[in-house]
Amino acid sequence: NAGVTQTPKFQVLKTGQSMTLQCAQDMNHNSMYWYRQDPGMGLRLIYYSASEGTTDKGEVPNGYNVSRLNKREFSLRLESAAPSQTSVYFCASSRGGGETQYFGPGTRLLVL
Amino acid sequence: GIQVEQSPPDLILQEGANSTLRCNFSDSVNNLQWFHQNPWGQLINLFYIPSGTKQNGRLSATTVATERYSLLYISSSQTTDSGVYFCAVGGRGAQKLVFGQGTRLTINP
Repeated sequence: NAGVTQTPKFQVLKTGQSMTLQCAQDMNHNSMYWYRQDPGMGLRLIYYSASEGTTDKGEVPNGYNVSRLNKREFSLRLESAAPSQTSVYFCASSRGGGETQYFGPGTRLLVL
Repeated sequence: GIQVEQSPPDLILQEGANSTLRCNFSDSVNNLQWFHQNPWGQLINLFYIPSGTKQNGRLSATTVATERYSLLYISSSQTTDSGVYFCAVGGRGAQKLVFGQGTRLTINP
């Protein structure tokens, strides 16, 4: 099992460009999450999906959209990237809400 | 919302030493997890421990939910234990985890 996979691993964007970060899990988990981690800080929740077909805002949702494509896949979209969105983005999944979360390797995003 | 405070923020030890990391939280929780972020950035779940004590090799964790704190113990530290340790908590029925700022542990050979 690959666990949680993320693509791309690294991306450079110019201000105003758009992009989609992809996440997939092969553990048959119901819940999936997107976090961002800024230097010297803990992780902050952007959006989550408690189950297929549902999405909800986390702590820092502004400037992002998500799609739970199916049970395996949860994507994060930046419609118009800003330098403040430079960060490392982590996807995670869990069997259900309130259960152990498993993280992907992260995507480093630099917005110039 | 729930506040999470970890201490100390930084810890530098020699190989073989023992360490205790602390996580305080501001409200009742039914979900508490400890993670290790290695120097390459990968986050590994160490413990799911909303209450009680668990052990896994040289690592153990204790959560005293009534007093709103959790402790992570690392014994006989190795250089591979270096990295940042995060505590994350969730309230009753909550999907979301709130992360602390982390403790950066450096183990010198």
